[in-house]
Amino acid sequence: GAVVSQHPSRVICKSGTSVKIECRSLDFQATTMFWYRQFPKQSLMLMATSNEGSKATYEQGVEKDKFLINHASLTLSTLTVTSAHPEDSSFYICSALMVSTNEKLFFGSGTQLSVL
Amino acid sequence: QQQVKQSPQSLIVQKGGISIINCAYENTAFDYFPWYQQFPGKGPALLIAIRPDVSEKKEGRFTISFNKSAKQFSLHIMDSQPGDSATYFCAASIGGSARQLTFGSGTQLTVLP
Repeated sequence: GAVVSQHPSRVICKSGTSVKIECRSLDFQATTMFWYRQFPKQSLMLMATSNEGSKATYEQGVEKDKFLINHASLTLSTLTVTSAHPEDSSFYICSALMVSTNEKLFFGSGTQLSVL
Repeated sequence: QQQVKQSPQSLIVQKGGISIINCAYENTAFDYFPWYQQFPGKGPALLIAIRPDVSEKKEGRFTISFNKSAKQFSLHIMDSQPGDSATYFCAASIGGSARQLTFGSGTQLTVLP
């Protein structure tokens, strides 16, 4: 299957700092990528839809100034958690949409963010 | 109406047994139903998906059964193996697309050796 690379896999930062997470589609172009947040033993909650060359679309309740999304190329989307606080600690997952005969969604391996 | 209800929350099966996970939905506009498998610390991986024009789809040991009138779909894992131990998520979306998936709450499957 297609490969989506997410980096870093784990990050620990101090409260008040910003953290950038990268999501790359390695073997296909993705005009659309998605960012999710997952708490332990819970489901994935869609945070935002990232569209190449345009502004991201955020789900209700997600602060766009807190979670900055940039999708500057067809293979790369980034999520920046600005001024991180302990409550932002979570598992963040990206996915990329492959459009061919049928659309398929491929997920990155996730980033565990711990804010001290 | 966007909710997808998944059960059970956890499931323990002996090696070689059949694992069955169920999902129900309300929104009749849903027309794409994938299942994802997630191992700890990893992102979900697409396992198998079905569209409502068929009632069953089989890929290897994995089968999706779909009941349009009951608005239910289920994942059957035949000959379950310890390596199948993972969290399984059902999902649904509109427009036959993988966009804007609504995920179920997940099922933690443990297959005992």
